[in-house]
Amino acid sequence: EAQVTQNPRYLITVTGKKLTVTCSQNMNHEYMSWYRQDPGLGLRQIYYSMNVEVTDKGDVPEGYKVSRKEKRNFPLILESPSPNQTSLYFCASSLSRGSGYTFGSGTRLTVV
Amino acid sequence: AQSVTQPDIHITVSEGASLELRCNYSYGATPYLFWYVQSPGQGLQLLLKYFSGDTLVQGIKGFEAEFKRSQSSFNLRKPSVHWSDAAEYFCAVGAAGGSQGNLIFGKGTKLSVKP
Repeated sequence: EAQVTQNPRYLITVTGKKLTVTCSQNMNHEYMSWYRQDPGLGLRQIYYSMNVEVTDKGDVPEGYKVSRKEKRNFPLILESPSPNQTSLYFCASSLSRGSGYTFGSGTRLTVV
Repeated sequence: AQSVTQPDIHITVSEGASLELRCNYSYGATPYLFWYVQSPGQGLQLLLKYFSGDTLVQGIKGFEAEFKRSQSSFNLRKPSVHWSDAAEYFCAVGAAGGSQGNLIFGKGTKLSVKP
């Protein structure tokens, strides 16, 4: 089945403890992206990638890192999480600019 | 930079009534335009998309949207709403040129359906 897989689905962590949210797609898509969703703010793009080793900042990149070493994987790294990064995170992938993103099921992160 | 405005935060319609959700965008050229739906506790599902051609586009679940360049709008419509359409709807704009993969979302419109 064609899909975007994120792990974990739920995560509770403490301030300052490094964490990684994994994202993998099996559709050979060129583009991948990370979004966070907060009530009243909609979805805001954190980072996106146009291909292996090509990434760019979205609207809210502060406090996040990404890497794209392989086409299928696009992990999101929080080096030192803070409570304001408590949010619902979505990974997405797309074949091209105009095809639209396919979204994963989301990762609900709580930082205490 | 592109931006998207969804003027209505919450809309309630009766089952069987028609629906129109508004979306206005700001972009220098013709962008890629999308509508997504998010059911409670779920990810986002693509309803339809537009870049060029016929300005009335058909999507899944009986939805359609009309691109109006003069009004910078891309409104979503459905002739007869079903209770299962209750969800949150997001309009999104992507740059046709420049940074690829940069897709900006509106803040969403929550749809409630009355029996």
